[in-house]
Amino acid sequence: EIVMTQSPATLSVSPGERATLSCRASQSVSSTLAWYQQKPGQAPRLLIYAASTRATGIPARFSGSGSGTEFSLTISSLQSEDFAVYHCQQYNSWPPDFGQGTKLEIK
Amino acid sequence: QLQLQESGPGLVEPSETLSLTCTVSGGSISSSDYYWDWIRQPPGKGLEWIATIHYTGTTYYNPSLQSRITISVDTSKNQFSLKLNSVTAADTAVYYCARQVSGGWLFDYWGQGTLVTVSS
Repeated sequence: EIVMTQSPATLSVSPGERATLSCRASQSVSSTLAWYQQKPGQAPRLLIYAASTRATGIPARFSGSGSGTEFSLTISSLQSEDFAVYHCQQYNSWPPDFGQGTKLEIK
Repeated sequence: QLQLQESGPGLVEPSETLSLTCTVSGGSISSSDYYWDWIRQPPGKGLEWIATIHYTGTTYYNPSLQSRITISVDTSKNQFSLKLNSVTAADTAVYYCARQVSGGWLFDYWGQGTLVTVSS
């Protein structure tokens, strides 16, 4: 099992500002790291895979970076619809492991 | 557009069996390119992968749950199902079904989720 640790647990940012979320793996997962967005009462939505590739239909303000054990998700200019919980997930090895999530809230 | 929809009881008594079904529409569950999964999220906690099935019958189970879970597929109905036996309050969660891309443990489509509460 690979432990995925997300920080911070909650991030307060004003609309229009930049937000950076972090995810750390307990061992290297190469670039096999995904980010999901989850809004209240909704299913998670795939945002980023392969650490930095945006999924279909995801706006360019979302970007991912990192490799090995350290990863980040950056939202360049926060829109109202971006306030949600973000999960990271490693898929380098079985079983797949998720982080505990970072809640991005309006400041 | 692919859609997944979970169904099943919202309340299960302790020690009983939780049974859920996921109905896939807008695509075939019999595609060799995809696997089908159950993932859960206890209240206030992170996501936990439970199990995977391919239409050929190949299965994978979370080692921590393996002794209590069974996943199955019904290609004639375009559905797959989960059974979790001997449930306790710790199994209370929102249960999601999802599609896994090419057996790579990446989940690109998810159902809306269904809350299952274990309580007497």
